[in-house]
Amino acid sequence: AQSVAQPEDQVNVAEGNPLTVKCTYSVSGNPYLFWYVQYPNRGLQFLLKYITGDNLVKGSYGFEAEFNKSQTSFHLKKPSALVSDSALYFCAPKGGSQGNLIFGKGTKLSVKP
Amino acid sequence: DAGVIQSPRHEVTEMGQEVTLRCKPISGHNSLFWYRQTMMRGLELLIYFNNNVPIDDSGMPEDRFSAKMPNASFSTLKIQPSEPRDSAVYFCASSLAASGGHEQFFGPGTRLTVL
Repeated sequence: AQSVAQPEDQVNVAEGNPLTVKCTYSVSGNPYLFWYVQYPNRGLQFLLKYITGDNLVKGSYGFEAEFNKSQTSFHLKKPSALVSDSALYFCAPKGGSQGNLIFGKGTKLSVKP
Repeated sequence: DAGVIQSPRHEVTEMGQEVTLRCKPISGHNSLFWYRQTMMRGLELLIYFNNNVPIDDSGMPEDRFSAKMPNASFSTLKIQPSEPRDSAVYFCASSLAASGGHEQFFGPGTRLTVL
């Protein structure tokens, strides 16, 4: 079965501190991995993706994510959090031959001044 | 490009009424997805199209829901008759292709309230 897990419903960090939002997945075949962000009352915005190649991928707004094949993880990171990063974050994997992304319930990130 | 366009942005209707949600994908995108988001169930894929053909509608809740894509630039999601439990935010997304590593681009959503 194909699945995604974001073990933390909420992550709280202080502004300026590093942040990590965790994601593990299970898909068939080579995975394509995506992170999306959703601000209140908005649609989802694409942040970054892993297709192949370098395990560390960089995306929008200073975010990056590391693909770890052995741990089937794709954690989202940022060296220094901003209050404006507060939002709902979704990890969305898919198998290579699949058409649809798999979404979990997301992780709410709260960055306090 | 204007991005994915959805209309209406808000819809309030009474139980039993027909509701039609509309979506215009990004020009040149060959795949279109309909999602529903609620607090309880999160983000659910309802149906997706590839080259205007429905590929997977296993997420459509029941026969009250139907979706069409008559051409590459327009899709509708219809609920008839609507029920209070259909209240949710409905998102449309498009991508260059469904398979492979293409990201999906989401519209702003339609917030549906069924009284």
